[in-house]
Amino acid sequence: GENVEQHPSTLSVQEGDSAVIKCTYSDSASNYFPWYKQELGKRPQLIIDIRSNVGEKKDQRIAVTLNKTAKHFSLHITETQPEDSAVYFCAASGPTGNQFYFGTGTSLTVIP
Amino acid sequence: GAGVSQSPSNKVTEKGKDVELRCDPISGHTALYWYRQRLGQGLEFLIYFQGNSAPDKSGLPSDRFSAERTGESVSTLTIQRTQQEDSAVYLCASSFTGGTGTEAFFGQGTRLTVV
Repeated sequence: GENVEQHPSTLSVQEGDSAVIKCTYSDSASNYFPWYKQELGKRPQLIIDIRSNVGEKKDQRIAVTLNKTAKHFSLHITETQPEDSAVYFCAASGPTGNQFYFGTGTSLTVIP
Repeated sequence: GAGVSQSPSNKVTEKGKDVELRCDPISGHTALYWYRQRLGQGLEFLIYFQGNSAPDKSGLPSDRFSAERTGESVSTLTIQRTQQEDSAVYLCASSFTGGTGTEAFFGQGTRLTVV
């Protein structure tokens, strides 16, 4: 099966600074890589995703990059705001394209 | 409803009792997942249903855990003879099978406390 590793486990940044979270995966057949944000006491919600046929995707302050050769992908948040504070999970879809394997999560704290 | 619905939202049970957790996926979603999330921890895969295929049960931690799904609708996760280490939030998610990977939508979870 797929193995997804995520780093760092915790991250603190000053408001306005950038935050980067990195994930690696093991199965080269994985083709879909979503990122979920989970605020305290709430359900995980998709914030951005990328498919294996593109290398980068951006949505306002959030961007994701994918390096298929190295089997790693990263989440970039620019101009961080206090409301970005949450736990972020990366995931890979696995060889079938529909099973989800999650990383262990990154707790991001944005300091005002 | 428009989203994934789970019930109950909270469940307190005595050690040794059986519990049943319910998940109503989004209509039309053929894939359904159960995850366990202990306090401050990540999402631990439990089981995956895909249409009428045999479920992937590789994440179930012991034979006390079982899950069923009727067709492409409701799923129930059953924990028998509950132990204190079973205390966690149990999250259900569903997705529309697109063949190339599609978004998984999560329910609000069931918080299980075993006392």
